[in-house]
Amino acid sequence: KNQVEQSPQSLIILEGKNCTLQCNYTVSPFSNLRWYKQDTGRGPVSLTIMTFSENTKSNGRYTATLDADTKQSSLHITASQLSDSASYICVVSEGGYNKLIFGAGTRLAVHP
Amino acid sequence: DTGVSQNPRHKITKRGQNVTFRCDPISEHNRLYWYRQTLGQGPEFLTYFQNEAQLEKSRLLSDRFSAERPKGSFSTLEIQRTEQGDSAMYLCASSLVTGGSNTGELFFGEGSRLTVL
Repeated sequence: KNQVEQSPQSLIILEGKNCTLQCNYTVSPFSNLRWYKQDTGRGPVSLTIMTFSENTKSNGRYTATLDADTKQSSLHITASQLSDSASYICVVSEGGYNKLIFGAGTRLAVHP
Repeated sequence: DTGVSQNPRHKITKRGQNVTFRCDPISEHNRLYWYRQTLGQGPEFLTYFQNEAQLEKSRLLSDRFSAERPKGSFSTLEIQRTEQGDSAMYLCASSLVTGGSNTGELFFGEGSRLTVL
């Protein structure tokens, strides 16, 4: 069964600290992996999209990594800000089937 | 174009009533998706359109749910005889797919939150 598992489920950090969110998937065949940021009560916003051949991709203070061999991805947030408080959702695209498999998300709270 | 637009943003209804949500995608996008999201969970796929054709429907889309995209532009999602379990955020997303099986980069609307009393 194609699944996307995210950890931790929730995380609290202090402003200015770094953190890393994890995503493990069993989706096959694999097309690409995406990270979205979703503020409470809002729609998800794309942070990064990575294909099989990409190991890392950055978007400002957000850096995503992908290990297609172990089927793991991480999202690293540097020098966190209060506005980073949100849910971060990992999404894997199932190759050839036009299907996106969503993780349940990691809820990040950044405290002053 | 300011992105994907969804209306209404919030809807409170009594059990048994019908509700309709509208989604206006980014104008040049040919794909339109509907998702349902409950608290603490990721979005769950409901259905998607390629232009005006509805190409896939999830098992979650019971016979009380119907979606249309009559002219390949805006889409509506109607829920008939609403139940309390239908309470959720209904998200619309659009993308531009120019070939192959890639889903394209999805742009989400702000969602329509449904509360069934």
